[in-house]
Amino acid sequence: SSELTQDPAVSVALGQTVRITCQGDRFRTYYASWYRQKPGQAPVLVIYGKNNRPSGIPDRFSGSSSGNTASLTITRAQAEDEADYYCNSRDSSGNYLVFGGGTKLTVL
Amino acid sequence: QVQLQESGPGLVKPSQTLSLTCTVSGGSISSGNYYWTWIRQPAGKGLEWIGRIYTSGSTNYNPSLKSRVTISVDTSKNQFSLRLTSVTAADTAVYYCAAHVSGSSWDAFDIWGQGTMVTVSS
Repeated sequence: SSELTQDPAVSVALGQTVRITCQGDRFRTYYASWYRQKPGQAPVLVIYGKNNRPSGIPDRFSGSSSGNTASLTITRAQAEDEADYYCNSRDSSGNYLVFGGGTKLTVL
Repeated sequence: QVQLQESGPGLVKPSQTLSLTCTVSGGSISSGNYYWTWIRQPAGKGLEWIGRIYTSGSTNYNPSLKSRVTISVDTSKNQFSLRLTSVTAADTAVYYCAAHVSGSSWDAFDIWGQGTMVTVSS
């Protein structure tokens, strides 16, 4: 089982705001990174560090953290945002990288 | 702009060794900017970090795979490689190579290859 826990599925109405969460003890001292993966494609980095977006990622995507929970927030959800989203951080020892189990986002 | 491309056999027999190579283009593997990483994803399942190598040759491996994994780098060819021994059907997955950048309190897999499907079957 993963040290990072994500809800398996989340849905959002078109144009609304959705928060995808990831729980893990490391988030008290370490930031999550977030990846979007569409069917048949490689994951794409969307958020890293405190709240940094790679070039090409719209500002509708933002990251935050509180206690042991990291969050990815998508505002004004679009049909193109429908995908699997994975969080990533370190394991409890800090020496290895781990992923959450992924959240399937459906845009209604 | 750095790009990554995986290559290797798509079919491996049980108990044999899986070998994949990732070719780095658009930049030098020796630049020191990245850890070079392998990640896999079984069909319909999540991502699993396999391990990483720095250009110095230092490695870190997923503890669950450590006894079977070797990651190496060939700077002359601008490539890094994955060897996974004694494979079983559980090792069937899409294998990705990725470039990992690390900050003081964060990590990010900044660049990904397209992935290559490896099936373990007789």
